[in-house]
Amino acid sequence: NAGVTQTPKFQVLKTGQSMTLQCAQDMNHEYMSWYRQDPGMGLRLIHYSVGAGITDQGEVPNGYNVSRSTTEDFPLRLLSAAPSQTSVYFCASSYEFAGEETQYFGPGTRLLVL
Amino acid sequence: AQKITQTQPGMFVQEKEAVTLDCTYDTSDQSYGLFWYKQPSSGEMIFLIYQGSYDEQNATEGRYSLNFQKARKSANLVISASQLGDSAMYFCAMREANTGFQKLVFGTGTRLLVSP
Repeated sequence: NAGVTQTPKFQVLKTGQSMTLQCAQDMNHEYMSWYRQDPGMGLRLIHYSVGAGITDQGEVPNGYNVSRSTTEDFPLRLLSAAPSQTSVYFCASSYEFAGEETQYFGPGTRLLVL
Repeated sequence: AQKITQTQPGMFVQEKEAVTLDCTYDTSDQSYGLFWYKQPSSGEMIFLIYQGSYDEQNATEGRYSLNFQKARKSANLVISASQLGDSAMYFCAMREANTGFQKLVFGTGTRLLVSP
């Protein structure tokens, strides 16, 4: 299993440009999510999905869109990039079994918005 | 209000010694879960250990153990016999009430440096 994969690993955008961060998992996990990590602030939840066709907002959703057409894929779209969106983005997938759970994180995408 | 507090921005420990990384949390839920993640300089988030709020025993995973004190709302990570490869950022996180999706709330992290 590849686990959780993210592309690209690094991206530079100009203010106002749009782009899609890709995330895929091959573990058949029901839940997927996107977090951003800013210096000194830990990770914050952007959007999440509890299954194909179902998405919801997290703590910091403004400026981002998501969709979940398949169990495996959960792309994150930046509609009009702003310097404030410079961050490291992590995708995660998770499951719960017998009361135990964990979240598996992808390697991250470093985004720089100029 | 901050739900996860990690008061130690940085910690130093000598190789082979034990170290405790502090984490306190705030929740009114009866059912919740606590996690620790390691983030080395390469950037990935590595799951270390999980403690459920109803677990009576402290969680252990190899050299990692979680000192869970429910009444004090603390979930400290203990690393025994530190190794140079343990140098990294460590994040404490909490899953809030049973919502079907396990939203995680993270602390700001503690940077651990292990010296020879």
